Amino acid sequence: GEDVEQSLFLSVREGDSSVINCTYTDSSSTYLYWYKQEPGAGLQLLTYIFSNMDMKQDQRLTVLLNKKDKHLSLRIADTQTGDSAIYFCAESSFTGGGNKLTFGTGTQLKVEL
Amino acid sequence: DTEVTQTPKHLVMGMTNKKSLKCEQHMGHRAMYWYKQKAKKPPELMFVYSYEKLSINESVPSRFSPECPNSSLLNLHLHALQPEDSALYLCASSQDGSGRSYEQYFGPGTRLTVT
Repeated sequence: GEDVEQSLFLSVREGDSSVINCTYTDSSSTYLYWYKQEPGAGLQLLTYIFSNMDMKQDQRLTVLLNKKDKHLSLRIADTQTGDSAIYFCAESSFTGGGNKLTFGTGTQLKVEL
Repeated sequence: DTEVTQTPKHLVMGMTNKKSLKCEQHMGHRAMYWYKQKAKKPPELMFVYSYEKLSINESVPSRFSPECPNSSLLNLHLHALQPEDSALYLCASSQDGSGRSYEQYFGPGTRLTVT
């Protein structure tokens, strides 16, 4: 099947904004997610957006959703060195009693001083 | 509190060993998940338990055997694994398996190495 696509790598300077993009595949996904994974760690849920919304803001994070193009983005304002990590988008499908998440390929964000 | 705990953190096992991974949550969640994550890859779903019953098995080989003894605990029993099974095994939970349980929380994972 098709993959949920993300660009592999993004480098920004501290204090700048970061924009991480994702193209998902399942137009029936009810929720779309952004997770952060630091080296050697599990996944931290950052934020999610309901499919009938086109924007959600949560402190430094802004999620934009374009359902027509199946495009999701995560903007991090005032990026800090602690934001360096791998960021995964995920689409969801509720099947058989579970919320199955299908993750994107992941974007490695590097924040430089 | 959105904590999911997993033990052990690291596990090295031989191909003939039997071992178990454990996962625990005390958020009252009724859906629990096992994911497998290979290096530099995204996590991939293995199993879903909903209300302590196995609801999804993503065609996982039988050398991986999940168990949900109660609503807070999830185990993954391992037997006769192969070196290619070496990966980070992640447990997750959500309120339930319905469309209302949109927040899925992950544990820190068990790093498994099969020698």
